[in-house]
Amino acid sequence: GAGVSQTPSNKVTEKGKYVELRCDPISGHTALYWYRQSLGQGPEFLIYFQGTGAADDSGLPNDRFFAVRPEGSVSTLKIQRTERGDSAVYLCASSTYGTGRETQYFGPGTRLLVL
Amino acid sequence: GESVGLHLPTLSVQEGDNSIINCAYSNSASDYFIWYKQESGKGPQFIIDIRSNMDKRQGQRVTVLLNKTVKHLSLQIAATQPGDSAVYFCASSGAGNTPLVFGKGTRLSVIA
Repeated sequence: GAGVSQTPSNKVTEKGKYVELRCDPISGHTALYWYRQSLGQGPEFLIYFQGTGAADDSGLPNDRFFAVRPEGSVSTLKIQRTERGDSAVYLCASSTYGTGRETQYFGPGTRLLVL
Repeated sequence: GESVGLHLPTLSVQEGDNSIINCAYSNSASDYFIWYKQESGKGPQFIIDIRSNMDKRQGQRVTVLLNKTVKHLSLQIAATQPGDSAVYFCASSGAGNTPLVFGKGTRLSVIA
């Protein structure tokens, strides 16, 4: 079956611009996660959705970052007034129930470059 | 807080040899552990997981060992192949539905 997909695969933007990153989870997965991965580092948790609601957004670095999942499937990560430090790979993952003790399946990521 | 780290940032092994990748965690409340493989330009790929009520779990060519006494986790890959070359991450989560915390990763290079 289809895995997690993310679009775009690459995004180049200018400092101060607004960007949206999209994630399509595995069909039927209740839980959806966003991570950010800087070069040479492991993924860092940003936010987790259980259905339509954000169950844990403790990893969002500041109020420029926001994510939605209005119908409980596709999610969009939104970054306002982008800064050069936002450059990273943004990974999305999904899991069946979101218990925290089940496999999270990752997408290929969106590589964001802020000039 | 919870931190997860790796003992070695790089590991080179001969094709056909066994590989051992180590990981330490600091939170004694961690009760779920998972290993991911990440190839260049791709997202992390699940390898194997283990819960804290187990000491060992085996998959196809891979074994994960958990030593809760010293808070140490290892991934063993048998008969390492060129396709195993990648960065390997361990991750853990604690009690309740806490987020996965990833280590920095170990780069495994297989020498043909």
